[in-house]
Amino acid sequence: AQSVTQLGSHVSVSEGALVLLRCNYSSSVPPYLFWYVQYPNQGLQLLLKYTSAATLVKGINGFEAEFKKSETSFHLTKPSAHMSDAAEYFCAVLHGNNRLAFGKGNQVVVIP
Amino acid sequence: KAGVTQTPRYLIKTRGQQVTLSCSPISGHRSVSWYQQTPGQGLQFLFEYFSETQRNKGNFPGRFSGRQFSNSRSEMNVSTLELGDSALYLCASRTDGAHTEAFFGQGTRLTVV
Repeated sequence: AQSVTQLGSHVSVSEGALVLLRCNYSSSVPPYLFWYVQYPNQGLQLLLKYTSAATLVKGINGFEAEFKKSETSFHLTKPSAHMSDAAEYFCAVLHGNNRLAFGKGNQVVVIP
Repeated sequence: KAGVTQTPRYLIKTRGQQVTLSCSPISGHRSVSWYQQTPGQGLQFLFEYFSETQRNKGNFPGRFSGRQFSNSRSEMNVSTLELGDSALYLCASRTDGAHTEAFFGQGTRLTVV
């Protein structure tokens, strides 16, 4: 079954520093991958998605992710963290039956 | 265009009671999925409805059920509530077609006491 793994539940980053959130996937077929962000007491908002069109995917709020088949990874990055980036981030893979399987999430804390 | 709307936002229920949550998808979206989010288990898929039919189902007991109406609005019902059912329940809608992204509502926070 397709799945994703996110390591390190809490990630602290200084304001202005690089944000790097790791996601590795397991899939026997070409995966469709997503990154979502969740702010406190809110639902999930789509940051970006990979659907095999391009390996480097740009999303909202300055985030981007690179699909690397050789490493089975889809890591999320942002060059310069902002206080407003404090939130929980989820990587997800779409199953053939339209079910999203999520990673455990990364709680990002931005230190001023 | 209005987003996915879930009502109510917050609910407190007693063990043994039942509860119904509502979800109105984005206009034109016929697929509605439900997810349960808890600190321990994370985000787990409950079921998906498409054109009033349950198309997919996750690994939850029969106490969890749902339905979809002709206008694509969906409800989920949990009967005989248990403390462990306390969670954020998220609804997501999608357009037709393969590999389209899911748009999520703000969720219903259910607390069972």
